[in-house]
Amino acid sequence: AQSVAQPEDQVNVAEGNPLTVKCTYSVSGNPYLFWYVQYPNRGLQFLLKYITGDNLVKGSYGFEAEFNKSQTSFHLKKPSALVSDSALYFCAVRDNGGYQKVTFGTGTKLQVIP
Amino acid sequence: GAGVSQSPSNKVTEKGKDVELRCDPISGHTALYWYRQRLGQGLEFLIYFQGNSAPDKSGLPSDRFSAERTGESVSTLTIQRTQQEDSAVYLCASSPMGLGAETQYFGPGTRLLVL
Repeated sequence: AQSVAQPEDQVNVAEGNPLTVKCTYSVSGNPYLFWYVQYPNRGLQFLLKYITGDNLVKGSYGFEAEFNKSQTSFHLKKPSALVSDSALYFCAVRDNGGYQKVTFGTGTKLQVIP
Repeated sequence: GAGVSQSPSNKVTEKGKDVELRCDPISGHTALYWYRQRLGQGLEFLIYFQGNSAPDKSGLPSDRFSAERTGESVSTLTIQRTQQEDSAVYLCASSPMGLGAETQYFGPGTRLLVL
């Protein structure tokens, strides 16, 4: 069975500082990994994904994530946080085989403090 | 093009009533997912449809919950004899086959309140 862990319910960071939102995963085969963002009162939006290739993936709004196979992690990062980045962030994983079921983490609330 | 749409956007019902939630996926998307999101919590997988294959119903919390999908189009999620703990936002997502199959496209959700 596949699973995702987001160990932090909430992350607080000052505006302008770098941010990291942690994610670790477990999957039987090779993973496809995703980050989604949910702004208040809005639906989930795709942010970025790792499928294959370069371990550092760049996505929307200046976010990036690094795939680390040995640590089974896919932490989300941004060099300089904006107040508008405050939202709920979900990490997700699926096996890269034919079965497309995706498993989501419980979410991490990011609060960027002005 | 049009995204995933869900209806109704909000539904208030009385305990014990049945409700039906609808999802229109993006045209051509073969995979369709239902999730539940309780207030302040993460996504809870409910059911997954992939083309004509048997759906994965492993996430349905009880036999009061059921879902149908006609071919590769509309899906309905039915909750019978609703309970207060069913109150949540029900999210639908779809994804294509082949290139881009990895990414899910979410609808705006149906906010269900059971009184």
